Amino acid sequence: DTAVSQTPKYLVTQMGNDKSIKCEQNLGHDTMYWYKQDSKKFLKIMFSYNNKELIINETVPNRFSPKSPDKAHLNLHINSLELGDSAVYFCASSQDSGSFPSNYGYTFGSGTRLTVV
Amino acid sequence: GDSVTQMEGPVTLSEEAFLTINCTYTATGYPSLFWYVQYPGEGLQLLLKATKADDKGSNKGFEATYRKETTSFHLEKGSVQVSDSAVYFCALPGGFQKLVFGTGTRLLVSP
Repeated sequence: DTAVSQTPKYLVTQMGNDKSIKCEQNLGHDTMYWYKQDSKKFLKIMFSYNNKELIINETVPNRFSPKSPDKAHLNLHINSLELGDSAVYFCASSQDSGSFPSNYGYTFGSGTRLTVV
Repeated sequence: GDSVTQMEGPVTLSEEAFLTINCTYTATGYPSLFWYVQYPGEGLQLLLKATKADDKGSNKGFEATYRKETTSFHLEKGSVQVSDSAVYFCALPGGFQKLVFGTGTRLLVSP
C-alpha cells in the first residue's frame, strides 16, 4: 500500500529518557514534515525536510533532532523527555511543486501518541 | 502571517441534519485552501481542496467554495451521518513548504 507509515503507534516512557519515532513514505514525495498535535487538537509544524535537507525548524527545543537518511525517511529523536512532550506526533509528506509543495496538500501518517510519565 | 480561523466546537447534530463549519482566512494573494478530517485515533486525511477563487471543492458529500470577497471557505454537507463524527481542520499554505491549520472543529452526530 502506498502510504506514510509511522512507528511506533504508541510510546509510553519515563521523564529523562531518549526515544525515537520513525517515518517512511513510499509515495515518491520529496518533502516530509513533523507536526505536533496537543491535547486540544492544535497542530503545529516542527520540521520539514526537502530531499534530505532541513528546510523548516520552528522554534523547537534542541532536545528534538530530526534525521533524514534519504528522502523516503524522516525520523525524530527526542532527548531528555519532559512531561510537556506528551502529544501526538504526525509525520506527513507532500509533492515538490517548486516554491509551494504545500499547494498540493499533505499525506499524513496515523500518528504516534507519546506519553511521558 | 497567513492564517485560518475556524468556528469553535463541538458542533452537535442529529443524523440527516445540515452541516456548516465556518472557516475564514487571512492571506497575501490567493493560496490553495484545504479541509482535512481526523477520525478518532487516526491521522488527518485530505477531504477536499480548492486552488483558486470561486472554485468549489467536493468529496464524500462535503462541499466548500473558495470565496475571496468574504475570505471564507466554509464546509457544508446536506445530510450528515454518524460516521461523519470527527474533527475537521481548515488549512492553507503558510509560506514555503508549510501548511497552517486552524484549531479544528469537532463534529458529533447522533442517531
